[in-house]
Amino acid sequence: ETGVTQSPTHLIKTRGQQVTLRCSSQSGHNTVSWYQQALGQGPQFIFQYYREEENGRGNFPPRFSGLQFPNYSSELNVNALELDDSALYLCASIKTGRSYNEQFFGPGTRLTVL
Amino acid sequence: AQSVTQLGSHVSVSEGALVLLRCNYSSSVPPYLFWYVQYPNQGLQLLLKYTSAATLVKGINGFEAEFKKSETSFHLTKPSAHMSDAAEYFCAVSDREGAQKLVFGQGTRLTINP
Repeated sequence: ETGVTQSPTHLIKTRGQQVTLRCSSQSGHNTVSWYQQALGQGPQFIFQYYREEENGRGNFPPRFSGLQFPNYSSELNVNALELDDSALYLCASIKTGRSYNEQFFGPGTRLTVL
Repeated sequence: AQSVTQLGSHVSVSEGALVLLRCNYSSSVPPYLFWYVQYPNQGLQLLLKYTSAATLVKGINGFEAEFKKSETSFHLTKPSAHMSDAAEYFCAVSDREGAQKLVFGQGTRLTINP
């Protein structure tokens, strides 16, 4: 199995701009979750996509949106960037089990908003 | 709502000494519990998970954790620390149903002294 990949690795934007982050799931995984990890904090759940539909959302405003494609890769879009959006963005490719869904994390995209 | 508290944002031990990282959780339903490790500039790697009746869970790299329902705790231990264990450690909890989103603690930075 290939691992979870994310692109780009690093990104610098200015306040008010829009950004798109990408995630390629592991083969056979039809679910992906996105997390935001601010500096010195634990990751926070943004949302999850299952078979191209949103399947759960955390406490993030609507300017955070996502897409999942038929090949199960995913995008995270953030509009009207704010300074507080500076963080490491992690995606997790999820292997659905009978009870427990195992989450495999990518290396993350480091977003800096100036 | 679920939550996780990690006691001690920074733990320092000598090489060869016992590692003990503390985690307490709050959940209204029987949870799944996890420990993840994060090395600098990397994503999250699963160390171990509690998803069944076995309360003592063994993970990778010699780590183990014990689920204690009466204490709502899931502390992580390793008998003998190695220099390569220096990293950030996150405890997380999730529901057993639905999106099974992970709720993370703030993290504990483990430093190993030679």
